Amino acid sequence: GENVGLHLPTLSVQEGDNSIINCAYSNSASDYFIWYKQESGKGPQFIIDIRSNMDKRQGQRVTVLLNKTVKHLSLQIAATQPGDSAVYFCAETGGSQGNLIFGKGTKLSVKP
Amino acid sequence: DAGITQSPRHKVTETGTPVTLRCHQTENHRYMYWYRQDPGHGLRLIHYSYGVKDTDKGEVSDGYSVSRSKTEDFLLTLESATSSQTSVYFCAISASMGAYEQYFGPGTRLTVT
Repeated sequence: GENVGLHLPTLSVQEGDNSIINCAYSNSASDYFIWYKQESGKGPQFIIDIRSNMDKRQGQRVTVLLNKTVKHLSLQIAATQPGDSAVYFCAETGGSQGNLIFGKGTKLSVKP
Repeated sequence: DAGITQSPRHKVTETGTPVTLRCHQTENHRYMYWYRQDPGHGLRLIHYSYGVKDTDKGEVSDGYSVSRSKTEDFLLTLESATSSQTSVYFCAISASMGAYEQYFGPGTRLTVT
């Protein structure tokens, strides 16, 4: 929704630069992770996922890195564009019912 | 939005009134979910369904009920709306539970006055 970006950490980058968005996850037993992008007024959009038997996975202009030792996930966006401006959040399969648990997110702002 | 529609998209209602939100999918996915999204919180699971007539509670299910009479439709009902239920509600679908991507609908903004 429109208010999802309020009170979130913000990352501001210049157009064309690379962006790195970080996420600390909570459950060491989580075996699957997803990154979502949410633009103002829209539903979350799936970007990329990674399973716990991998350290890195690449998509189109995006890379996800997983460090299980410190329970850390990052999303790298290459050559950031104004259309990348959104809230990004991670999710892990840490729920008691095997459900996804969602982080609060980071707001990415791209300056033209 | 991966063949997911939600209705209504916006609703204003008064405290104490019943409200039903609808989610419709055309992907024939088995699992459907209802989340709420509030500032300062991540998406929180209200209820989910793993098949027709098969539903279970999520972490914030109090004050909500759901029904699924067809694969493609998942209804969320607030029996007696309260101001604390003012939120944006998202429906999601997935092929399976847990380690599978979920796809989200466009959301319903509900305001309870």
